[in-house]
Amino acid sequence: SQQGEEDPQALSIQEGENATMNCSYKTSINNLQWYRQNSGRGLVHLILIRSNEREKHSGRLRVTLDTSKKSSSLLITASRAADTASYFCATDLRTGNQFYFGTGTSLTVIP
Amino acid sequence: DGGITQSPKYLFRKEGQNVTLSCEQNLNHDAMYWYRQDPGQGLRLIYYSQIVNDFQKGDIAEGYSVSREKKESFPLTVTSAQKNPTAFYLCATKTGTRLTEAFFGQGTRLTVV
Repeated sequence: SQQGEEDPQALSIQEGENATMNCSYKTSINNLQWYRQNSGRGLVHLILIRSNEREKHSGRLRVTLDTSKKSSSLLITASRAADTASYFCATDLRTGNQFYFGTGTSLTVIP
Repeated sequence: DGGITQSPKYLFRKEGQNVTLSCEQNLNHDAMYWYRQDPGQGLRLIYYSQIVNDFQKGDIAEGYSVSREKKESFPLTVTSAQKNPTAFYLCATKTGTRLTEAFFGQGTRLTVV
């Protein structure tokens, strides 16, 4: 069973707008990570947030983590056409060595 | 030039055949993972390995097999028992500690013909 579920499944916005996507997970985690995938390619790491952190920033990215709700959000500010991609959350579990990915959000930024 | 190499990029398999997907890394990472991605879907974990000569099943291991004879290599065999193997297969590595990112190969697209 997949560890993470993301919503929305698809998101379409105008260039310059902010994009927010959410991730919910099922079991206790050590950390949560966000990845980006361009069509037909491998995934690229964006940002990692530890389980004892609530918010983290990296450039135009802002990630929040609420362990009580088992959820995280990724905010991309001032979006660009080049941000068009699929975005996945991934969880390192507190126990075990599995590394699970969510179902992903497909983001389209319209120039 | 460090990284993860998956080969081939495209692979066609006849029904009833076994095929092996290659994943090689020179990052000196301990952990390696195989994921399957269906169109418009997320990544599902097939197998993972934390050390040489040891590996564990993920959520969808049926019809697949792996080996980890060398730290650098984690090949995935898609057997004839896998009834719906057409998918995009991704190999990833991590250093083995929890607070690290995963690195991905560029994937192999397997099609049954």
